[in-house]
Amino acid sequence: QTVVTQEPSLTVSPGGTVTLTCASSTGAVTSGYYPNWFQQKPGQAPRALIYSTSNKHSWTPARFSGSLLGGKAALTLSGVQPEDEAEYYCLLYYGGGQGVFGTGTKVTVL
Amino acid sequence: QITLKESGPTLVKPTQTLTLTCTFSGFSLSTSGVGVGWIRQPPGKALEWLALIYWDDDKRYSPSLKSRLTITKDTSKNQVVLTMTNMDPVDTATYYCAHTRQFYGIDYWGQGTLVTVSS
Repeated sequence: QTVVTQEPSLTVSPGGTVTLTCASSTGAVTSGYYPNWFQQKPGQAPRALIYSTSNKHSWTPARFSGSLLGGKAALTLSGVQPEDEAEYYCLLYYGGGQGVFGTGTKVTVL
Repeated sequence: QITLKESGPTLVKPTQTLTLTCTFSGFSLSTSGVGVGWIRQPPGKALEWLALIYWDDDKRYSPSLKSRLTITKDTSKNQVVLTMTNMDPVDTATYYCAHTRQFYGIDYWGQGTLVTVSS
């Protein structure tokens, strides 16, 4: 069974920068996995941030960026705001066309 | 604008079959590249991808749940239906449907519906 692993938790100061990663148990993550990133706040549905590795939706704040880093998908938050405190999930698509979500990263802004 | 809304029972008994309906607006499921998927989230746990159906009726399932899931669409009603057989208390979760673009991913989510499995 494929497992997609993220850091359980990260802490960042307001105005700081933090990078979240998304690793696949099958090997290096490439653009062919069409990495997606989502933000979820308590009691809310997830909100899409990034698609196909690095593309932003029209509503995605400029401080969020996606990339590939060292064989993983990555989400970087630059100039972090208090409202960025949330759970973040990645999603990878595999060869059979099915998706697998990551384990999630809780970002705390302190 | 694109909206999706899940509907179905809030409580099901163990061994029963769950049927959930996603009713959407703002797009057509007959448009090339468009799909609707289902995702669930047990209380306090991570998201889990379940199934996806595309405009051309191509269907994808989570390998671990494939034997229990069926996804279908009714383009004329703007609905996608997910059935899950042999429900168990561990299937208690909020179930979401989501608009998906082929080779891009998920962009719009429904609000989710909480399904509790209990006798």
